[in-house]
Amino acid sequence: DAGVIQSPRHEVTEMGQEVTLRCKPISGHDYLFWYRQTMMRGLELLIYFNNNVPIDDSGMPEDRFSAKMPNASFSTLKIQPSEPRDSAVYFCASSLAQPGLSYNEQFFGPGTRLTVL
Amino acid sequence: EDQVTQSPEALRLQEGESSSLNCSYTVSGLRGLFWYRQDPGKGPEFLFTLYSAGEEKEKERLKATLTKKESFLHITAPKPEDSATYLCVSSGGRRALTFGSGTRLQVQP
Repeated sequence: DAGVIQSPRHEVTEMGQEVTLRCKPISGHDYLFWYRQTMMRGLELLIYFNNNVPIDDSGMPEDRFSAKMPNASFSTLKIQPSEPRDSAVYFCASSLAQPGLSYNEQFFGPGTRLTVL
Repeated sequence: EDQVTQSPEALRLQEGESSSLNCSYTVSGLRGLFWYRQDPGKGPEFLFTLYSAGEEKEKERLKATLTKKESFLHITAPKPEDSATYLCVSSGGRRALTFGSGTRLQVQP
């Protein structure tokens, strides 16, 4: 298996532009997570999906952030409009839940390094 | 409030010098405690899941233990390739997942 795939790996954009990050989870996994990591705040959970349905988006910082999962093999995280403080590494992760357990081992992608000028 | 606190923030060891990393948590109704390793420029890599106090898990030079308030990651005779940031994550309480800020471990040859 190729693991979790994220694209692009690096993105540089100007303030006010729309940014779309993409993620392909591991085939068969039923949970998908989006994270943001910065030096100041560490790793933060933004949103997660179970069977393509958003379960908890309480970590999404503002209305400028939105995430979708149109099918089991694809998810997007969109920032519109982007701001310099959105600069961070964004990770996508997927996992396969075990019966009776809410969360299990997560497999992380390589991340997208976003720089907003 | 759900919190996970890791200590120390950074740790420098000589090769072969055993030590422990600490993760203190205040999460009501803990459903799981996870340890991850993160190398620079990469996503976190899963190490262990612990579900109940008294549980222990081992993998090569690492052993994770869990009490009702803390988890420890013991590193026995570390090697330079064990250098990484180790993250502690809790599941339970009001938040889906609560992350610690990590311990940066450097093992010198």
